[in-house]
Amino acid sequence: EVQLVESGGGLVQPGGSLRLSCAVSGFTFSNYWMTWVRQAPGKGLEWVADVSQDGRTVYYVESVKGRFTISRDNTKNSLFLQMDSLRVEDTAVYYCGRDSGSYRYFDFWGQGTLVTVSS
Amino acid sequence: DIQMTQSPSTLSASVGDRVTITCRASQSSFAWLAWYQQKPGKAPKLLIYKASTLENGVPSRFSGSGSGTEFTLTISSLQPDDFATYYCQQYYLYPLTFGGGTKVEIK
Repeated sequence: EVQLVESGGGLVQPGGSLRLSCAVSGFTFSNYWMTWVRQAPGKGLEWVADVSQDGRTVYYVESVKGRFTISRDNTKNSLFLQMDSLRVEDTAVYYCGRDSGSYRYFDFWGQGTLVTVSS
Repeated sequence: DIQMTQSPSTLSASVGDRVTITCRASQSSFAWLAWYQQKPGKAPKLLIYKASTLENGVPSRFSGSGSGTEFTLTISSLQPDDFATYYCQQYYLYPLTFGGGTKVEIK
């Protein structure tokens, strides 16, 4: 059974940092691109970042470039999102997801972790 | 960036109704479009990819069509479990983008 479990969310002040983790099981992690998608309270879905199977190719939405870093550890079946210089508008539930094969849609999702940026 | 616009934003319908949701792209995304269903407090669930291919395990009352800039998601006979919010997503170009969502409510 495919499982993705996020952790690391919480309350942080503006300008602070947080590192999200996503532990995966049930599939060969190193064969898949992985993604982070977020959802602000009461709002729609926003794609945040993607990382290739080997971690060498990454893509970001413009609003997080230079502040967020997506990475992975294939030896530990784990995906990460390092979030620095956090802003109030980064408040959201953050979901990790598996990209489906060669295409950038998402066939499995975690349950999400809430990040609240507030003073 | 490819902007995705869904309509309507809210839809009121009854069990058994045929429901159609539209997603328009600001430029062609060919057939690289997916649909998701999301229930409150839950992660999204993939329904359809490549505009019209049903994901494994998704009921056949769901169908998708379209290409280029206009796409539709149809539920042929709405069931109680289908009251949820639906999102389209283009995966032709980065940044990947979602529509704003369509909430299907009980009439």
